[in-house]
Amino acid sequence: NAGVTQTPKFQVLKTGQSMTLQCAQDMNHNSMYWYRQDPGMGLRLIYYSASEGTTDKGEVPNGYNVSRLNKREFSLRLESAAPSQTSVYFCASNPGQGTGRCHFGDGTRLSIL
Amino acid sequence: EDKVVQSPLSLVVHEGDTVTLNCSYEVTNFRSLLWYKQEKKAPTFLFMLTSSGIEKKSGRLSSILDKKELSSILNITATQTGDSAIYLCAVAINYGQNFVFGPGTRLSVLP
Repeated sequence: NAGVTQTPKFQVLKTGQSMTLQCAQDMNHNSMYWYRQDPGMGLRLIYYSASEGTTDKGEVPNGYNVSRLNKREFSLRLESAAPSQTSVYFCASNPGQGTGRCHFGDGTRLSIL
Repeated sequence: EDKVVQSPLSLVVHEGDTVTLNCSYEVTNFRSLLWYKQEKKAPTFLFMLTSSGIEKKSGRLSSILDKKELSSILNITATQTGDSAIYLCAVAINYGQNFVFGPGTRLSVLP
């Protein structure tokens, strides 16, 4: 019962480097999400995918790209990392069509120097 | 702009106290309101509320939604140190496709 799996758990980057955060879910959920969490800010939506083959911007999409590779996997890419992107990133999934709650991965702690 | 507000942002109590956490929202296309508890890692689900006035209860935790006042409360009775966490309120919008989160209430329960 893995649920939502995120890799890596920790990463340190230098400004300007690129990287991809990976997320996979094994619950056959339609919708997947990427959030970032900063102190005192709650969770802010970066991008989401309501179903396989679709992606949409959330509240804070600038500096990020996403790929819904298949129904299981949803990746988040930082093309040119900036210190302002230092955060904890959470991937989540949901059955879709307003049917319930999000299930979260354990998060990726990303530091950009 | 869709918005979820929580109060207080931070709260320190002693074991055995009862606490009430507040969540209010201004959103379009409200679908449901959810409460999560976040300790060190991923938020874990507590309640989902869709109907006004119906209390949901799980052990010492309970929650109720007031759609007229656009708000919800989360009550924790007889608090324990294990209740120390950030409590997040989220609202599902756009037919449940999106979730807007509040900033969270950081609860510290002292022995």
